Amino acid sequence: AQSVSQHNHHVILSEAASLELGCNYSYGGTVNLFWYVQYPGQHLQLLLKYFSGDPLVKGIKGFEAEFIKSKFSFNLRKPSVQWSDTAEYFCAVSPRGGYNKLIFGAGTRLAVHP
Amino acid sequence: DAGVIQSPRHEVTEMGQEVTLRCKPISGHDYLFWYRQTMMRGLELLIYFNNNVPIDDSGMPEDRFSAKMPNASFSTLKIQPSEPRDSAVYFCASRISGIMYNEQFFGPGTRLTVL
Repeated sequence: AQSVSQHNHHVILSEAASLELGCNYSYGGTVNLFWYVQYPGQHLQLLLKYFSGDPLVKGIKGFEAEFIKSKFSFNLRKPSVQWSDTAEYFCAVSPRGGYNKLIFGAGTRLAVHP
Repeated sequence: DAGVIQSPRHEVTEMGQEVTLRCKPISGHDYLFWYRQTMMRGLELLIYFNNNVPIDDSGMPEDRFSAKMPNASFSTLKIQPSEPRDSAVYFCASRISGIMYNEQFFGPGTRLTVL
């Protein structure tokens, strides 16, 4: 069965620190990959997505993610975090084609201190 | 576009009562998903529909849960009878079909508390 693993459950950073959140998935075929963000008390919003092409994907608010097929990874990065980035981040994978489920990771709670 | 609309936003009920959660997907979207989010279990897919037809309900916890989609613009998730362990945030999401468009758009959620 497909699964998504997010290695860091809680991350605490100071403002201006760099961020990298790990995401690995298990699926042998072609996939679409997503990072969603959930700000406190809000719904999930799409940060960025990868379908094909350049494995380095840029999203909103300065976030980017790199798809490394050989490592089944899709890590999220931001060079300098802000207090407003405090949120929970979810990695998700969807096998390409007619299969329509998004398989979510457990999420990573990020707290940024000013 | 108003996005995915859910109601109510908050629901507090007593154990044993029936609870009905409602969702209006984005117009033109032909897939609709119901999720449950808890601290212990994270984000779980309960059921999803395509063109108003339930496709996969394997995530529905038990017979107390049921979901319907009578038309393309409305879906309900019903819990009868409700139990304290059903307390969670329930999200509805929708998407349009097509390989390149399987991004899901989430509603604001319904926070359910069962006392």
